[in-house]
Amino acid sequence: AQTVTQSQPEMSVQEAETVTLSCTYDTSENNYYLFWYKQPPSRQMILVIRQEAYKQQNATENRFSVNFQKAAKSFSLKISDSQLGDTAMYLCAWVDLPGNTGKLIFGQGTTLQVKP
Amino acid sequence: GAVVSQHPSWVICKSGTSVKIECRSLDFQATTMFWYRQFPKQSLMLMATSNEGSKATYEQGVEKDKFLINHASLTLSTLTVTSAHPEDSSFYICSATRGSGEETQYFGPGTRLLVL
Repeated sequence: AQTVTQSQPEMSVQEAETVTLSCTYDTSENNYYLFWYKQPPSRQMILVIRQEAYKQQNATENRFSVNFQKAAKSFSLKISDSQLGDTAMYLCAWVDLPGNTGKLIFGQGTTLQVKP
Repeated sequence: GAVVSQHPSWVICKSGTSVKIECRSLDFQATTMFWYRQFPKQSLMLMATSNEGSKATYEQGVEKDKFLINHASLTLSTLTVTSAHPEDSSFYICSATRGSGEETQYFGPGTRLLVL
């Protein structure tokens, strides 16, 4: 069965600093997608970044970037120049190709606190 | 684009009553919708997958007679919590995908249910 593991329940970072959140997953599939979602205190789920497994290039979105290591099944999120608004729970997720179930498999989440 | 709404945003009900939660895709047609439950400081737990015009697929351990899901149109899915009890109190979130080949799930803002 596919699993996603986030081993850091809580993290903190000073404003303007850089922080990396870890995520590992286990699957026998070759083609899939990986996501990082952000859930701020409002609890609205916000898509941060998406990575397609067949693309070797790491995805980036402004201050957010990933380090995708397919062989190691690792998908970490780097947040640069952290801002107070980045305070949230971050959820790593995996999904297989459409045509299968399309179900997202979530990790346990990492709660990030950005300190002023 | 890809906006999903939920109604109501929060509801308080008496034990034994039924509560209906609506999930709507506002600017796209959603062939597949998902319902999640989330406890405080925990990750999302998938309850069921809903496809337009067919019966929902429930995850193991989720009572289908208690959590009735209807996906009658391409823009609306409903979750009815029947004979609600205090242990059903939780945060319920829906998500939707645009269709075949679209693997990104877009999330609604969630519904907070409190059963007294």
